[in-house]
Amino acid sequence: QSALTQPASVSGSPGQSITISCTGTSSDVGGYNYVSWYQQHPGKAPKLMIYDVSNRPSGVSNRFSGSKSGNTASLTISGLQAEDEADYYCSSYTSSSTPAYVFGTGTKVTVL
Amino acid sequence: EVQLVETGGGLIQPGGSLRLSCAASGFTVSSNYMSWVRQAPGKGLEWVSVIYSGGSTYYADSVKGRFTISRDNSKNTLYLQMNSLRAEDTAVYYCARAPLWSKNYYDYWGQGTLVTVSS
Repeated sequence: QSALTQPASVSGSPGQSITISCTGTSSDVGGYNYVSWYQQHPGKAPKLMIYDVSNRPSGVSNRFSGSKSGNTASLTISGLQAEDEADYYCSSYTSSSTPAYVFGTGTKVTVL
Repeated sequence: EVQLVETGGGLIQPGGSLRLSCAASGFTVSSNYMSWVRQAPGKGLEWVSVIYSGGSTYYADSVKGRFTISRDNSKNTLYLQMNSLRAEDTAVYYCARAPLWSKNYYDYWGQGTLVTVSS
């Protein structure tokens, strides 16, 4: 059950766009359209931001979007705002373990 | 409104036992896949265990044989019985719900309860 690989940190200025990558294998990210993304502010519970690669739950800003190419999924935050500063985790279905769920290593987003 | 409230965390000595509870409201625990996810201090999220709506249970290798997930349908509550605790089990433990139509993501999370294993 190896974690998916994310960059440790990504930063951007207010109004800019940033992209966080999430790299797995053909047994998880590359093999299924079941990638999700979670936002976590310090001391708070994770919050679902994207599911099934590119779907946004009701109430999540359309500044957040998801995509996938091969074994790498991406979360893009456009029009970066101060409140977006948080940790972000990807996750995916995986066929390499039972049951089939693995998280990413996490990315700290800093708004400069 | 869906709510998940975890209780039962605390300071416990290595080798000890603890039972976490997750009281659910706004939905029926037995209808959804329910999981425990933990986060060690300053670390990332780690999936711990799941109980399917049909009752099947699964565990991460790191807790297999020591932790037991269960639910009480009459109390609409999820549990995690943790035995033979180790220092590396120190973490905030979250319960999380998968939606009825998918087991592949978690749409609601509790606020977490801190478990500290230390002598």
